[in-house]
Amino acid sequence: DAGITQSPRYKITETGRQVTLMCHQTWSHSYMFWYRQDLGHGLRLIYYSAAADITDKGEVPDGYVVSRSKTENFPLTLESATRSQTSVYFCASTGWRDFSYEQYFGPGTRLTVT
Amino acid sequence: SQQGEEDPQALSIQEGENATMNCSYKTSINNLQWYRQNSGRGLVHLILIRSNEREKHSGRLRVTLDTSKKSSSLLITASRAADTASYFCATDTEDSSYKLIFGSGTRLLVRP
Repeated sequence: DAGITQSPRYKITETGRQVTLMCHQTWSHSYMFWYRQDLGHGLRLIYYSAAADITDKGEVPDGYVVSRSKTENFPLTLESATRSQTSVYFCASTGWRDFSYEQYFGPGTRLTVT
Repeated sequence: SQQGEEDPQALSIQEGENATMNCSYKTSINNLQWYRQNSGRGLVHLILIRSNEREKHSGRLRVTLDTSKKSSSLLITASRAADTASYFCATDTEDSSYKLIFGSGTRLLVRP
């Protein structure tokens, strides 16, 4: 199916464990983004990528690592999960429409760190 | 820090009434966008307004932009229970049109 998908949709992990959240898009969009959404904070940008092998930090990058070896995939890794990283994580890609950028979001991954 | 701040944080109205949400931002922009999020889902793009536009319509949606006040409003007319969702404004910046900064959102409840 065309679009942007995330896996897993739900994940429970323990403090200190490494966990990777997957994001896949089928549009060949150049730009991809990872956000976290917490109550009272809206969406905060973690990392973004302008193309394969090009990534950059967002507002809250500490504790996260990203890679982008292929245009369609943009995994997010929590190297050593902490309780403060309990959140809903959204992946998005940006398409060009009507001479402007518009973001397309995945369904989200709800991560709980115990 | 967030670029956009929405007001009110929560809004409850009766079906058929109009809903107005406001967004303020801090820096100069190229575009401002509004997104909708149903509970437990990802955000969906609703409408975009450019910095040189003052008003834009799309179906029951009306967006205004006042760049001198760095503010925007989203009006949903004749609301329906299905409009119940959170609404977010998002702005780019003059030097980065592809990277958006989202506000904290307005939670809208439309009572049947």
